[in-house]
Amino acid sequence: EAGVAQSPRYKIIEKRQSVAFWCNPISGHATLYWYQQILGQGPKLLIQFQNNGVVDDSQLPKDRFSAERLKGVDSTLKIQPAKLEDSAVYLCASSLSPGTNEKLFFGSGTQLSVL
Amino acid sequence: AQSVTQLGSHVSVSEGALVLLRCNYSSSVPPYLFWYVQYPNQGLQLLLKYTTGATLVKGINGFEAEFKKSETSFHLTKPSAHMSDAAEYFCAVRPGRAGGGNKLTFGTGTQLKVEL
Repeated sequence: EAGVAQSPRYKIIEKRQSVAFWCNPISGHATLYWYQQILGQGPKLLIQFQNNGVVDDSQLPKDRFSAERLKGVDSTLKIQPAKLEDSAVYLCASSLSPGTNEKLFFGSGTQLSVL
Repeated sequence: AQSVTQLGSHVSVSEGALVLLRCNYSSSVPPYLFWYVQYPNQGLQLLLKYTTGATLVKGINGFEAEFKKSETSFHLTKPSAHMSDAAEYFCAVRPGRAGGGNKLTFGTGTQLKVEL
C-alpha cells in the first residue's frame, strides 16, 4: 500500500516569511497527526485530527501555526510568520483510528530551515 | 502525564557486538511502549511495541525489548549488531487504557553507530 506522502521534502525561508506543508495520509486512515522534530529532540505532537475535526492541538503555537484537514483526507500545516526556532522536520503520520492500539505510519517529513 | 528518558544520545558498537539502547518511562496510567527507528532522510518505522501480555517483545530486524514495570524500563537489545542497524532510535509511550488519550510521547533519541 502507498505510504504517507509529504511535500515539499525541503524548504528554506527567511524569518517572518510564510510556509505551508502538505500531507496525504494512507487511504482510509481517519486519524492524522503533525509532529515537529527539532534537531536533537524527539518528535513532538503539534496537532491531531480525527477525520476533519481537531482532537488535540494543545501544543500547537496558535499565534503562528495553523492546520486544516478539509474533507478529512489531505492536510496542510502553515506557519505565518516563521521564526528561527521553527527550523525542524515536520512529520505527518496517520492511523486507521485514534485507538490506543492503532499503529502510526509516518511520512518522510519536510525539513524546514528558517534563516 | 507521561514522559520518556533515553540514556545516551549516541551509542557506538562494533559489528557483531550486543546492542543495548536504554529507555525509562514515566506514566500515570499503564503504558503502551514503542521503539521506532529512523534511517537518514526517512520517516519513523515501528520496530516493536508492548501493549499487554508477554513482557518480552520481539520486533523486526532481530530487535527485542523487555518491559520491566518495577524498573519502569523498556530497553532495546539486539544480540549482534549489523552495519545496517546504524540509525536513530526513539522510545515512545502512550496511555494504555481507553479514555487515557492516545498521545504518543517520544524520547530524545539515541543515535546508533556500528563500526567494523
